[in-house]
Amino acid sequence: EAQVTQNPRYLITVTGKKLTVTCSQNMNHEYMSWYRQDPGLGLRQIYYSMNVEVTDKGDVPEGYKVSRKEKRNFPLILESPSPNQTSLYFCASSSGLETLQYFGAGTRLSVL
Amino acid sequence: AQKVTQAQTEISVVEKEDVTLDCVYETRDTTYYLFWYKQPPSGELVFLIRRNSFDEQNEISGRYSWNFQKSTSSFNFTITASQVVDSAVYFCALSDEETSYGKLTFGQGTILTVHP
Repeated sequence: EAQVTQNPRYLITVTGKKLTVTCSQNMNHEYMSWYRQDPGLGLRQIYYSMNVEVTDKGDVPEGYKVSRKEKRNFPLILESPSPNQTSLYFCASSSGLETLQYFGAGTRLSVL
Repeated sequence: AQKVTQAQTEISVVEKEDVTLDCVYETRDTTYYLFWYKQPPSGELVFLIRRNSFDEQNEISGRYSWNFQKSTSSFNFTITASQVVDSAVYFCALSDEETSYGKLTFGQGTILTVHP
């Protein structure tokens, strides 16, 4: 079954404690993205990757890092989380620029 | 720059009523894609429809229909005979040539509540 898998689904942490949200897709897609969802703002792109070792900033990259060492994985790293990064995060992948993006189930993060 | 506006923050209807969710978009490109996603209370994003800018035909899928009008830059979504299971947040989104279609620009979302 085609899937984008995010882990963990829920996470509560404290300010400054580094964390990683993993994202993996089994569709051999080249394109992967991270979005965050906040009330009244919809979803906004954080980072995207067009291929292995190729990443670029989206609209709201501050405070986040990503890496794309393998095609299937695209982890989101928060080196020093802050309360304003409390949000619902989605990973997405697609096979091409003009194709449909598949979304993971979401990761709900709370930073205290 | 791209922009998607969903002016209706919340809509409340009674079951069996028809409801239309508005979506207005801005893009400088002539080739672009428009989407609707549903987010039920469980939180996942459910894809509903994708429409490219060259296809202005309206689409109907069961109780769902979409009205795409390039002249007014709108892509509205109508649910006929709404049901309680339609209660969700609905997002309209756009991807275009300027971002190489690598990004979806989302509207703010419309919270739809259908009361029994």
